Amino acid sequence: IAGITQAPTSQILAAGRRMTLRCTQDMRHNAMYWYRQDLGLGLRLIHYSNTAGTTGKGEVPDGYSVSRANTDDFPLTLASAVPSQTSVYFCASSDAAGTTDTQYFGPGTRLTVL
Amino acid sequence: GQNIDQPTEMTATEGAIVQINCTYQTSGFNGLFWYQQHAGVAPKFMSYNVLDGLEENGRFSSFLSRSKGYSYLLLKELQMKDSASYLCAVRDGDYKLSFGAGTTVTVRA
Repeated sequence: IAGITQAPTSQILAAGRRMTLRCTQDMRHNAMYWYRQDLGLGLRLIHYSNTAGTTGKGEVPDGYSVSRANTDDFPLTLASAVPSQTSVYFCASSDAAGTTDTQYFGPGTRLTVL
Repeated sequence: GQNIDQPTEMTATEGAIVQINCTYQTSGFNGLFWYQQHAGVAPKFMSYNVLDGLEENGRFSSFLSRSKGYSYLLLKELQMKDSASYLCAVRDGDYKLSFGAGTTVTVRA
């Protein structure tokens, strides 16, 4: 069982380019999340999805979009990347939103926007 | 927004005990989590508290006081492999996690 996988592991991207970060989980978890982690700021929620077909905005959603077409996949898209989006991005999932369930994290994607 | 505070860095000796404090002010409360994160890898779940008191799990314990908006993570019998960042996270009234900036613990021989 892989748990949560993310791709790519790392990416260097020119400003203005479009980029999709992929996240797949095989635990049949209902809820999925995208965070960015920046030095000194901790993890900040970008977008979330409580169940397939629904999404919501987190603390820092501007410049990002998500979709949740099925239970397993939760891609994060940067429509036009900017240098301030340089960060480490973590995808997470939990069994059900609105419960005491624990979030489990993927390995992360290190993104550099030049 | 949410406000979660924890010390930036702590250093301790192998075999010793370290206590990492976390204070929080959030909109609603539905539990507090501690995660361990080694450099360059994903955060790993350590503990969860939703009621006041101490939760023990081997060398690690976590304490919660909801009335004080306070938690601590206690690491006992420190080992070199415990050198990592420890993240305090609070689940708010909307069941979203807000994270502190993390405490980097360095264990020295």
